[in-house]
Amino acid sequence: GAGVSQSPSNKVTEKGKDVELRCDPISGHTALYWYRQSLGQGLEFLIYFQGNSAPDKSGLPSDRFSAERTGGSVSTLTIQRTQQEDSAVYLCASSPGQGRTGNQPQHFGDGTRLSIL
Amino acid sequence: GDSVTQMEGPVTLSEEAFLTINCTYTATGYPSLFWYVQYPGEGLQLLLKATKADDKGSNKGFEATYRKETTSFHLEKGSVQVSDSAVYFCARANTDKLIFGTGTRLQVFP
Repeated sequence: GAGVSQSPSNKVTEKGKDVELRCDPISGHTALYWYRQSLGQGLEFLIYFQGNSAPDKSGLPSDRFSAERTGGSVSTLTIQRTQQEDSAVYLCASSPGQGRTGNQPQHFGDGTRLSIL
Repeated sequence: GDSVTQMEGPVTLSEEAFLTINCTYTATGYPSLFWYVQYPGEGLQLLLKATKADDKGSNKGFEATYRKETTSFHLEKGSVQVSDSAVYFCARANTDKLIFGTGTRLQVFP
């Protein structure tokens, strides 16, 4: 389809392992966001990419979290040495990116449900 | 810091009842405001938005008016349906990202 695609849809892993989550934004969208949705919590901003600019990493909760965006398209969120508190749904969103992107609707993927045992 | 506060759920209503979900925000300036909805088993999708004071966003029978004097953006619907059962998130723009509320679960029973 033409929407934001995330994979895997579910990931179960043991504490201490590294995980990689993938996001394929809508074609042509230059802005890409990662959020985390924990049980009973709202959506927590993690990181934002806009074109070739340096990413806004202000929401990353620790240095175990990192993200890349290759070629201005696909993004990978990596969590190293996972902890149980990392269990959450990780959502990716994209928007066209013209003008002030905060004013633009964001298009969300279905998320990756991460469970740390 | 900037934040969005929503009423806690769940909100439980009978079909055809009137719905209000309260949302207030802290603001520097006049950010764009949004309501997103997450239906069971689906991803978030934009429901409606307003970009300046006194704007009214509307979609699928839902409405919300940007009130700068009360810094509010309450979501309303005159007659809810079972199919409106979902989690509703209020959000405000913060330069290049969104700040979301914690979400309000709406359950509509026939």
